[in-house]
Amino acid sequence: QSVVTQPPSASGTPGQRVTISCSGSSSNIGSNAVSWYQHLPGTTPKLLFYSNDQRPSGVPDRFSGSKSGTSASLAISGLQSEDEADYYCAVWDDSLHGPVFGGGTKLTVL
Amino acid sequence: EVQLVQSGAEVKKPGESLKISCKGSRYTFTNHWIGWVRQMPGKGLEWMGIIYPADSETRYSPSFQGQVTISADKSISTAYLQWNSLKASDTAIYYCARHFSYFDLWGRGTLVTVSS
Repeated sequence: QSVVTQPPSASGTPGQRVTISCSGSSSNIGSNAVSWYQHLPGTTPKLLFYSNDQRPSGVPDRFSGSKSGTSASLAISGLQSEDEADYYCAVWDDSLHGPVFGGGTKLTVL
Repeated sequence: EVQLVQSGAEVKKPGESLKISCKGSRYTFTNHWIGWVRQMPGKGLEWMGIIYPADSETRYSPSFQGQVTISADKSISTAYLQWNSLKASDTAIYYCARHFSYFDLWGRGTLVTVSS
């Protein structure tokens, strides 16, 4: 059971906008920056966002990240079939003195 | 190319020991923390621990403290993850990743299978 919580699943049809939440506490999201990762089966996790909303080069601007208080969100607009993957948030936890991952959200494109 | 190169897949029996590696190339290995991340079959990513290769300062997730040992040899830009006595439940993919307040560079993972 992670200290950072994500919904286990999300879904949408091509072209739709979906949002994935990441809920934590004052010792993690409330005081540190959130990063997001996309993980397709059999591949290496890919950094989607760092510092809450900073997109590395190569990540489409259909993806956006945000943080407010002790929660963060990943939004994907113009959903495409290639977006079907597992998505994880991660954040430093001051109590654990290390990073923690959310439990992951499996995104299905219907 | 900047990369982390992990050692190959392992098949072990319960009770055996194992040490897997993660070698950094084309960047200053001692300037960044290296983390180890576990993914059990059908499960999510779990942070195990991190090490700062410059001085080998190490921090473990409470879930893995005492279960594994993380070490590094800065002279060869390599970090290690070690078990003294494997269990079937250690079957997983283990990723190393460079940590700079986020994991920006990942190894391709080492599949460890523990089976009698």
